[in-house]
Amino acid sequence: EPEVTQTPSHQVTQMGQEVILRCVPISNHLYFYWYRQILGQKVEFLVSFYNNEISEKSEIFDDQFSVERPDGSNFTLKIRSTKLEDSAMYFCASSEAGFAFFGPGTRLTVL
Amino acid sequence: GQQLNQSPQSMFIQEGEDVSMNCTSSSIFNTWLWYKQDPGEGPVLLIALYKAGELTSNGRLTAQFGITRKDSFLNISASIPSDVGIYFCAGPERVRDDKIIFGKGTRLHILP
Repeated sequence: EPEVTQTPSHQVTQMGQEVILRCVPISNHLYFYWYRQILGQKVEFLVSFYNNEISEKSEIFDDQFSVERPDGSNFTLKIRSTKLEDSAMYFCASSEAGFAFFGPGTRLTVL
Repeated sequence: GQQLNQSPQSMFIQEGEDVSMNCTSSSIFNTWLWYKQDPGEGPVLLIALYKAGELTSNGRLTAQFGITRKDSFLNISASIPSDVGIYFCAGPERVRDDKIIFGKGTRLHILP
């Protein structure tokens, strides 16, 4: 069964460093998303991506964040200068028909 | 924007009991999704509902799309230990499939 994969599963970084989180969406899906979940809280929308451009972003997704689909299979989230409050689980998702399939997440810890 | 309110926030039940949780929205939804999240993992889709009044089952899980299109419930019958986790309702914020928002979740605990 097709699934969304994410790497790494856990990333530890120093405050101010850049991180890139990687995702491989399900191959025939057209919509891609990044969500985050701070420990114990709900899953929050960050950004959606369709037709090689951002279709919507939340207020969380500020200038420190960027997304890219560098080739036909990968979808990345870059955080340019991490802050302590960026520590969270980051989930990639993809969809085809109105509901999203989620990856297993990357746990980002900013020290 | 749309808000999804889930209740209860958490539940403590005995194994074998039935469970009911619900979700209400601040405005009309066109699709209701129910996800389950196990600790340290991503949400997994359980049930998707597309029409007002629709009642859909997936094994011991049953979910309904409320007639007003502003609510949905999820029932779990004869709970088992692996039902433990957080259950989220979710849905596309608008008819277009570009943003799915989540409720805060109902955390299910099963007592030994």
